[in-house]
Amino acid sequence: DAGVIQSPRHEVTEMGQEVTLRCKPISGHNSLFWYRQTMMRGLELLIYFNNNVPIDDSGMPEDRFSAKMPNASFSTLKIQPSEPRDSAVYFCASSLERGSYEQYFGPGTRLTVT
Amino acid sequence: DQQVKQNSPSLSVQEGRISILNCDYTNSMFDYFLWYKKYPAEGPTFLISISSIKDKNEDGRFTVFLNKSAKHLSLHIVPSQPGDSAVYFCAASASGGANSKLTFGKGITLSVRP
Repeated sequence: DAGVIQSPRHEVTEMGQEVTLRCKPISGHNSLFWYRQTMMRGLELLIYFNNNVPIDDSGMPEDRFSAKMPNASFSTLKIQPSEPRDSAVYFCASSLERGSYEQYFGPGTRLTVT
Repeated sequence: DQQVKQNSPSLSVQEGRISILNCDYTNSMFDYFLWYKKYPAEGPTFLISISSIKDKNEDGRFTVFLNKSAKHLSLHIVPSQPGDSAVYFCAASASGGANSKLTFGKGITLSVRP
C-alpha cells in the first residue's frame, strides 16, 4: 500500500520566491494535516482538512502561507513570498476518519530558503 | 505556550537496559495520548497510545504509563535495542468530534549504545 506521498523531498529557493509543497494522502483517508518541524518549536500543526474542507488553520503563521485541498487525493501548501525563517521540514499526514487519533505521516519536504 | 512538554532533549542508554521517556502536559482537556517514533529523513510513525480512562498500555517491549493527576506520561522501552535509536514525540488530543488534531512535544532523541 502506498503511504502518504509528498513532493518535492527537498526544495532550495531564494528569499521572495513562491514555494509550493504537494501531498497525496492515503486513499480513503478523509482527514489531512500539514505540520512544520523546527528545532525551536518541534512539530507544529499548521492546518487540517476534513473531507477537503479546512477545519482549523489557526497554526498557519501568517498570510504568506496558504493551503488548499481541491479533492480527496491532493493538497498543496504554498508560501508566497518565502523567507529564510520558513526553512524547516514540512510534513503532511492523513487519517482515516474524523476523531481518529492515529495519523500517518509522509516523508516530509525539507525546505531551505536562502 | 507549549501544552505538551518533553523537557529532556536527549537520552542515552545501554543496549538491554530500560529506556524511560517522559512527557508532561498542561491542558486538562487532553484525554488521548500517543507516542510517535521518527528516524532521520522519514516521517513520524505511530508507536503506542493510551486513553485517559487507563493508566497503562503495553505492546511488546513498549509500555506507556499515564498519571492524570500529575499530567504526566512516560514511555518505557525494555529491553532497549540499537534499532530503537530515534526521535520520540509525545502527542495529545482532546476528543469532542470536531477536534481531532494532535498537539506534539518537541521530541526526545534516544540513543541506544551497543
